[in-house]
Amino acid sequence: DAGITQSPRYKITETGRQVTLMCHQTWSHSYMFWYRQDLGHGLRLIYYSAAADITDKGEVPDGYVVSRSKTENFPLTLESATRSQTSVYFCASSDMRLNTEAFFGQGTRLTVV
Amino acid sequence: GESVGLHLPTLSVQEGDNSIINCAYSNSASDYFIWYKQESGKGPQFIIDIRSNMDKRQGQRVTVLLNKTVKHLSLQIAATQPGDSAVYFCAENSGSARQLTFGSGTQLTVLP
Repeated sequence: DAGITQSPRYKITETGRQVTLMCHQTWSHSYMFWYRQDLGHGLRLIYYSAAADITDKGEVPDGYVVSRSKTENFPLTLESATRSQTSVYFCASSDMRLNTEAFFGQGTRLTVV
Repeated sequence: GESVGLHLPTLSVQEGDNSIINCAYSNSASDYFIWYKQESGKGPQFIIDIRSNMDKRQGQRVTVLLNKTVKHLSLQIAATQPGDSAVYFCAENSGSARQLTFGSGTQLTVLP
């Protein structure tokens, strides 16, 4: 089905472990984003990508790594997970037009213990 | 710093009444605004948008008003229904990077 999908939906990991959250979109949108959502903070941008092999930091990039080898995939990696990274992570995509809405995945709830 | 904020964290309305959710923004360079609806356990869903060259835009049961003079945005929902219960976020885009800055959200509860 067309859309944007995230996996896994739920993940529990231990402090210090590496974990990768996956994001896949079928619209061939140029732009993809990773946000985290924490109570009282709304959605905060972690990283974004304007196209394959082009990524940029957002508001809260520390502790995260992204890659974009293919237009449709935008994985987010926590190299050494910390408890402060417990959050709900949302991936989003949008097309090339200026001022256009982003389409969001269903989110990944990550718990770091 | 620049921010997008909401006046009220919660709003309760009777079913059938109209709802008004407010949002203030501080970046005068913002030229595009979006309202998203987020239901429990789901990602944000686009409701309606408005560009800075407009002051009003209507959709199905929803209207967005933009007052650039006071940097204020509002979402009006007509004849609010139980399915409208959700958290509503305003977001702004102020540049070519397609980045959105989100407010902290308002929880709308529709009472029977």
